[in-house]
Amino acid sequence: QVQLQQWGAGLLKPSETLSLTCAVYGGSLSDYWWSWIRQPPGKGLEWIGEINHGGSTNYSPSLKSRVTISVDTSENQLSLKLTSVTAADTAVYYCARGRQKQWLNWGQGTLVTVSS
Amino acid sequence: EIGLTQSPGTLSLSPGERATLSCRASQSVSSSYLAWYQQKPGQAPRLLIYGASSRATGIPDRFSGSGSGTDFTLTISRLEPEDFAVYYCQQYGSSPPMYTFGQGTKLEIK
Repeated sequence: QVQLQQWGAGLLKPSETLSLTCAVYGGSLSDYWWSWIRQPPGKGLEWIGEINHGGSTNYSPSLKSRVTISVDTSENQLSLKLTSVTAADTAVYYCARGRQKQWLNWGQGTLVTVSS
Repeated sequence: EIGLTQSPGTLSLSPGERATLSCRASQSVSSSYLAWYQQKPGQAPRLLIYGASSRATGIPDRFSGSGSGTDFTLTISRLEPEDFAVYYCQQYGSSPPMYTFGQGTKLEIK
């Protein structure tokens, strides 16, 4: 059973860079696309971007200029960086494993708060 | 970019009743790439339906999905207490590669 465990800084100041990591246990990064998805408190879900084991990426057009998703196949991990954060980036961030363009396996979520 | 509109925003029903949730797309969506998720407070979303009508592993058969083109439906045939949650539809479009979610339907106990 694939499990995703994620971690990263939970409190940032405006203009800082958000950095999260997601480790994959019980499975390989190969043969899947891996996404980051976020959810502002009390609101809906927003797809941020995805990556495959080869490092090919797709990003949401609204976030593309600030987002970088990368993989470390040796560690079986993927990472998210979001630059120049503002209060609007406050959200629970999830990593998820994609299959047939939907997500069966999700991380536990990480609340990131942006506040001065 | 394809938009998804879910209705109603909130649905108040009693256990044992039938729930019908709607998801309408701003343009035609491939049925292969239409999914439904359930989310409970403090939890990650759980995949219920993929390919518009296929149940994910372990999902009870009281959950069913249907539809094509721009109109999709999630039906819960007989509500159990654990079914009260928020439900999201989600689609994937390839030009450009992009995933979008509906705004969610909150299913609450009447």
